[in-house]
Amino acid sequence: EIVMTQSPATLSVSPGERATLSCRASQSVRSDLAWYQHKPGQAPRLLIYDASTRATGIPARFSGSGSATEFTLTISSLQSEDFAVYYCQQYNNWPPALTFGGGTKVEIK
Amino acid sequence: EVHLVESGGGLVQPGGSLRLSCAASGFTFNSYWMSWVRQAPGKGLEWVANIKQDGSEKYYVDSVKGRFTISRDNPKNSLSLQMNSLRADDTAVYYCSRVIGGYYGSGSDYNRYYYGMDVWGQGTTVTVSS
Repeated sequence: EIVMTQSPATLSVSPGERATLSCRASQSVRSDLAWYQHKPGQAPRLLIYDASTRATGIPARFSGSGSATEFTLTISSLQSEDFAVYYCQQYNNWPPALTFGGGTKVEIK
Repeated sequence: EVHLVESGGGLVQPGGSLRLSCAASGFTFNSYWMSWVRQAPGKGLEWVANIKQDGSEKYYVDSVKGRFTISRDNPKNSLSLQMNSLRADDTAVYYCSRVIGGYYGSGSDYNRYYYGMDVWGQGTTVTVSS
């Protein structure tokens, strides 16, 4: 079973600053990684797939990088609407297995 | 507009059963794999189950195998999750989601693809407690 570990658990950032979120896989998942944004009371939102491809309608300030076991989600200049919890998801064993990381909460500093 | 709307959540006693439904609209339902994902209180997202477009393949996270059953009714654009032998740790918000993914070919020509869960419902809350 592939385990996904996200760090830090909480990231305090001021609006306009850059946020860098990390996701580590317990074994290589190649580039089979997606990122999601989740706000309380709302549906999760797909941001990135294939480690670095932005989903439809996602602003360019969101970017993903990495491969194998180390991945990064960067938000270049945080907007007020970006404060949320972010999850990585590996799909190297798809179908069917899909594994989420524990999440990183991005909060206002 | 593409929509997924879950229903059927509620309070149930340990050992009880509940059936969740997800109504899909705005897209060709029978063209997509579908999933259930849950979030326990204070916890992260957890994939629960997947079902192929025609319902011929179903997969589950280990913790719900033998207790939960995913199904779909394509003519009615509906996804379901039958949950039996419920436990306290099944307490969560349950989301249905559309999967952009699948596979084709076989053997040396097997190819799979996955572009994420691109549409989600708002969730329905299941509470297992006595």
